[in-house]
Amino acid sequence: GQQLNQSPQSMFIQEGEDVSMNCTSSSIFNTWLWYKQDPGEGPVLLIALYKAGELTSNGRLTAQFGITRKDSFLNISASIPSDVGIYFCAGQLGNTGKLIFGQGTTLQVKP
Amino acid sequence: DTGVSQDPRHKITKRGQNVTFRCDPISEHNRLYWYRQTLGQGPEFLTYFQNEAQLEKSRLLSDRFSAERPKGSFSTLEIQRTEQGDSAMYLCASSGLVGPNYGYTFGSGTRLTVV
Repeated sequence: GQQLNQSPQSMFIQEGEDVSMNCTSSSIFNTWLWYKQDPGEGPVLLIALYKAGELTSNGRLTAQFGITRKDSFLNISASIPSDVGIYFCAGQLGNTGKLIFGQGTTLQVKP
Repeated sequence: DTGVSQDPRHKITKRGQNVTFRCDPISEHNRLYWYRQTLGQGPEFLTYFQNEAQLEKSRLLSDRFSAERPKGSFSTLEIQRTEQGDSAMYLCASSGLVGPNYGYTFGSGTRLTVV
């Protein structure tokens, strides 16, 4: 089946540092989504990307849809303690709405 | 609109019992999805509806699982004869059609524990 490879698996950084994480796939996706999930809660949508090459920002977050449509990255600038959580990338195949998720990147921020 | 609502938030049941979960999507969204998430993993797709039609079911959705969306609004997911392996977080999501109004939004989930 389709798989997304998300890296790194975990990160432990100092408050104020920038963070970068990425996802790659062997499949072409029409849409890339980035979510953050806190323990015991559902994923919360951070950024949605609809076009190859698209670069989109949401506050301190920036994400890009790779030109090949097989990859995406998420950057977080000037991290703060509330950035702690698990970040997931998700790709959508075709027009079904079905999402394939990466394995997640666990982010810990040291004050 | 308060987003996607799921009920209950937690459910503990004995093996062999039936359970039913409810999802109320964002009202203007015509697509509704169910996912399952186990500890340390990303959500896995189970099934989705466009209005009242169930358009796709994953191989993960065994015969003991059934989902309905009778009037194209709320949806229910029933698990019959629960097994310990069914213990997971069950997530519901809703969206518009692909594009700027996509708004793919998840609920807070129902945590199922089968003992």
